[in-house]
Amino acid sequence: ETGVTQTPRHLVMGMTNKKSLKCEQHLGHNAMYWYKQSAKKPLELMFVYSLEERVENNSVPSRFSPECPNSSHLFLHLHTLQPEDSALYLCASSQGQGHQHTEAFFGQGTRLTVV
Amino acid sequence: AQSVTQLDSQVPVFEEAPVELRCNYSSSVSVYLFWYVQYPNQGLQLLLKYLSGSTLVKGINGFEAEFNKSQTSFHLRKPSVHISDTAEYFCAVSESGGGADGLTFGKGTHLIIQP
Repeated sequence: ETGVTQTPRHLVMGMTNKKSLKCEQHLGHNAMYWYKQSAKKPLELMFVYSLEERVENNSVPSRFSPECPNSSHLFLHLHTLQPEDSALYLCASSQGQGHQHTEAFFGQGTRLTVV
Repeated sequence: AQSVTQLDSQVPVFEEAPVELRCNYSSSVSVYLFWYVQYPNQGLQLLLKYLSGSTLVKGINGFEAEFNKSQTSFHLRKPSVHISDTAEYFCAVSESGGGADGLTFGKGTHLIIQP
C-alpha cells in the first residue's frame, strides 16, 4: 500500500448529486488535510484535521463537508457543487505535535468534474 | 502572512542541459522551505526540504536547492535534466515544519524537457 491513497481517482458528477471523496493514510500520521488544485492557481488549503479534530477551515463553502472518523481516514462530502468546483482534490497527512510537524505526504488526488 | 512567488510559469530546457527554477518567499518569521514535484495525473512528491543547517540541500533525482536568507530565495537546480523530469514543480513555505498549519504554495513552474 502506498502512503496516502485517494479514491476515486476520477469523478464526474452533476450539480444536484451527492458524492464523497475518500482518503486513507498508512503512515501512522496524526494530521490530515484537504487541498484543492485548480488550473493556473496555487494549491489551496481547505481543511486541516489534527488528532481527528478539525483545526482549520479556510472559508470553504458549506457544499464541501469534511469528516475524519479516525486518524487514518478522511472524507470530503460533496453536494450541490458548481462547475467552478471542478479541480484536483488532494489529500495529505503529516505527523507532529502542536504546530511542529513533519512535511506533508500527498495522495494522487481525485480529479473532479462538475457538469 | 507568508507567500511564495515562482517567477516562471514555464521553463523549456533541452535534455542534458542544466536548469534552475526560481522561488522567492516572504515571511515575518523563520520558515521551512520545500520543493515538490507533480508528474502528470499524479499527486505531489517531496523533492527536498530546508529545515535548518546547511543552506545547500540535496534531494531526490539529482536535484538540489540553495536557501538564501538575504535574498529570501530557494532556487531549485539540476546540472543535467532528462526527459523524465518533465513535470510541474512547486515551491512551498511553512512556518511550522510543513504540517499542521499547512503549506503555502507557489503557482508552480512547468518544466518542459526538449529532446
